[in-house]
Amino acid sequence: GENVEQHPSTLSVQEGDSAVIKCTYSDSASNYFPWYKQELGKRPQLIIDIRSNVGEKKDQRIAVTLNKTAKHFSLHITETQPEDSAVYFCAASGSGAGSYQLTFGKGTKLSVIP
Amino acid sequence: EPEVTQTPSHQVTQMGQEVILRCVPISNHLYFYWYRQILGQKVEFLVSFYNNEISEKSEIFDDQFSVERPDGSNFTLKIRSTKLEDSAMYFCASRPDGAGFYFGAGTRLSVL
Repeated sequence: GENVEQHPSTLSVQEGDSAVIKCTYSDSASNYFPWYKQELGKRPQLIIDIRSNVGEKKDQRIAVTLNKTAKHFSLHITETQPEDSAVYFCAASGSGAGSYQLTFGKGTKLSVIP
Repeated sequence: EPEVTQTPSHQVTQMGQEVILRCVPISNHLYFYWYRQILGQKVEFLVSFYNNEISEKSEIFDDQFSVERPDGSNFTLKIRSTKLEDSAMYFCASRPDGAGFYFGAGTRLSVL
């Protein structure tokens, strides 16, 4: 089955700096890579996703890059703000028709220091 | 925006008791899932459900677990005889064909 590794497990940055979280996956058949933000006691919230036919996707201060050859993908948050503090999970799955399941990484606790 | 809804938000039970966690997926979604998250750990897959049957299940989903879609809207997870280690946050998720996963707010299960 799929295995997703995520690093680092904790990350502290000064407000305004950038944060980068990296993930690797094992199953070359995976082609859908979402990122979730989870605040304490809340549901995982999808913040951005990328499919394997795209190398990079950006949404305001958030971007995701995918290197399918190397089987890794990264989340980049620029101009971090205190409200970005949360646990971030990467995940991988198949997509399209079919009952694909998401495999999550272990999460990165991001702390943005004002 | 439509949401996956889960009830109850918190369930407290005694070890050995049966619990049923309820979910209402988004109405036009086809695939339904249960995940769990032990405090401080990652989200783990339990089971997927499509076309009124289980399509995949993890090692965690043993004979103590079952799922059901009793009517056109509800999707339930039953744990027959709860153990202390079943204490976790249980998330229901659904998705349509070809699109991403939508998670419910979760049910916190506390087994005493």
